[in-house]
Amino acid sequence: GAVVSQHPSWVICKSGTSVKIECRSLDFQATTMFWYRQFPKQSLMLMATSNEGSKATYEQGVEKDKFLINHASLTLSTLTVTSAHPEDSSFYICSAQTGGGQDEKLFFGSGTQLSVL
Amino acid sequence: DAKTTQPNSMESNEEEPVHLPCNHSTISGTDYIHWYRQLPSQGPEYVIHGLTSNVNNRMASLAIAEDRKSSTLILHRATLRDAAVYYCILTYNFNKFYFGSGTKLNVKP
Repeated sequence: GAVVSQHPSWVICKSGTSVKIECRSLDFQATTMFWYRQFPKQSLMLMATSNEGSKATYEQGVEKDKFLINHASLTLSTLTVTSAHPEDSSFYICSAQTGGGQDEKLFFGSGTQLSVL
Repeated sequence: DAKTTQPNSMESNEEEPVHLPCNHSTISGTDYIHWYRQLPSQGPEYVIHGLTSNVNNRMASLAIAEDRKSSTLILHRATLRDAAVYYCILTYNFNKFYFGSGTKLNVKP
């Protein structure tokens, strides 16, 4: 199957700093990528939809100025958590959409564990 | 968005079949039914998907009710590596995938 690489796997940062997470589709082009966050023992929550060459679409309640998304190419999307605070500590997961029509699927990265001190 | 309902947890013995149910009574005619699973500290993994007809692949089978208001993921012979949280998801025009609470499957040796 298709491979989605996410980096870094984990990051620890000080409160007030910014953190960038990269998501790459390694063997396919992804017009659309999604960003999720997951708290311990909870399900994945969709944060935003990232479309190549255009602005991201954020879900209700997600601050677009805090979670900056850039999708500059068909193989790379980045999520920057700006001015991170302890409540932003979470597991962040990206996914890329592949196929079309009845073959539509999502392939996920391995996730990034963010800990804000 | 069409919602899904799954049991919180299920248990199975190794080498036995497992039937994971999902209710989606508000499904629309164009919604596909997708199943993903997630192992601890990892991103979800695609399992199977379908629209109306039952589907089989190397990982599992998907049985879809005739009225499409429910579906069942079937693992034919559970292994310890199948222990995971299984999510049943309806895709809305293939635009977004919203995850519900999922079913945590425990496989006993």
